[in-house]
Amino acid sequence: SQKIEQNSEALNIQEGKTATLTCNYTNYSPAYLQWYRQDPGRGPVFLLLIRENEKEKRKERLKVTFDTTLKQSLFHITASQPADSATYLCALVSWSGNQFYFGTGTSLTVIP
Amino acid sequence: GAGVSQSPSNKVTEKGKDVELRCDPISGHTALYWYRQSLGQGLEFLIYFQGNSAPDKSGLPSDRFSAERTGGSVSTLTIQRTQQEDSAVYLCASSLVPGSGNQPQHFGDGTRLSIL
Repeated sequence: SQKIEQNSEALNIQEGKTATLTCNYTNYSPAYLQWYRQDPGRGPVFLLLIRENEKEKRKERLKVTFDTTLKQSLFHITASQPADSATYLCALVSWSGNQFYFGTGTSLTVIP
Repeated sequence: GAGVSQSPSNKVTEKGKDVELRCDPISGHTALYWYRQSLGQGLEFLIYFQGNSAPDKSGLPSDRFSAERTGGSVSTLTIQRTQQEDSAVYLCASSLVPGSGNQPQHFGDGTRLSIL
């Protein structure tokens, strides 16, 4: 079965620095990889997606890379702010969208 | 506009009781998903509805769990004879375009279920 690993430890960084979160996977070849943000007591909120044939995607301070050879996606938040503190989830998605496999998430804390 | 709505937001019940959790998806969204999230765990897929197709029930953990979606809109997740290990947050999500993985899921804020 597919296995998804995100940063095993919580990530603490100083405000203004770049946060880098990793998502590694095995036993699956997703057509898409999606990233979500989850705040305590709330449902996940979609941030970005990247297709298997794309190397990099950007949206404002966010950047996602996707390496299908390494089976890895990196999620970067530049010029991080305390408001970026949350849990970030990656999801492997099939072509048809009927299969979503979520990682356990990485807890990010941005320290003022 | 209105997002995905789940009710109740919290549910406390005794072991052995049945519970029903409700999900109102975004209007026009044909795909609907149920997940379970335990403390410190990822989202565990439970069931997927897509239009009028037969639902994908492959994630339901036991026959005590069932779900239905009436009229292609509202969905109800039912857990019979609840056990303490059923305690978790149950999340519902919907998405717009069928048959495409490039559509994001829109989540409700979940139902926090506690079994005493």
